[in-house]
Amino acid sequence: NAGVTQTPKFRVLKTGQSMTLLCAQDMNHEYMYWYRQDPGMGLRLIHYSVGEGTTAKGEVPDGYNVSRLKKQNFLLGLESAAPSQTSVYFCASTEGGETQYFGPGTRLLVL
Amino acid sequence: GIQVEQSPPDLILQEGANSTLRCNFSDSVNNLQWFHQNPWGQLINLFYIPSGTKQNGRLSATTVATERYSLLYISSSQTTDSGVYFCAVRWSTDKLIFGTGTRLQVFP
Repeated sequence: NAGVTQTPKFRVLKTGQSMTLLCAQDMNHEYMYWYRQDPGMGLRLIHYSVGEGTTAKGEVPDGYNVSRLKKQNFLLGLESAAPSQTSVYFCASTEGGETQYFGPGTRLLVL
Repeated sequence: GIQVEQSPPDLILQEGANSTLRCNFSDSVNNLQWFHQNPWGQLINLFYIPSGTKQNGRLSATTVATERYSLLYISSSQTTDSGVYFCAVRWSTDKLIFGTGTRLQVFP
């Protein structure tokens, strides 16, 4: 039982490039989330999903898109990366509204 | 939207000392969690505590939902307790709103 895993762990992009971050969970959780964490701050919700095929916007959705084609996977896309998207990205999952389980994070640097 | 404030922002302790971290929130919530983010960035669940008191070893937490605050107690602190402690509340649908955290440093 790996819990929540994220791919890649670290990535460097140039401004304007695109990329996709993958989150996978093996706990059969319905709910999945993408957060970003900037230095010295808490986590802010980007997008979330309450089930396969559904997505919704969080606090800071601009510049990101998501997809939940399979229950166990939640993808976060950056179509045209900007330096302001330099951050650490965390994925989380939960069953219902209780404890959220977090992945190890992806460090993204946009030059 | 709901505001989540944590205090103190920074805390420095010597090993063996006790501490209390506070989380205030501005509206009614139906879920509150405490997390520890270790120096390597990993987020670890500590407590799911929408109300009442829970204990796990040297850590305990109390949430008084009617007064909109939660407390995290760390007793006999160890260097491995260092990191950032976040509280997060679930408000309206299924969004967790995080506080800005308390950075704890424990020295031997």
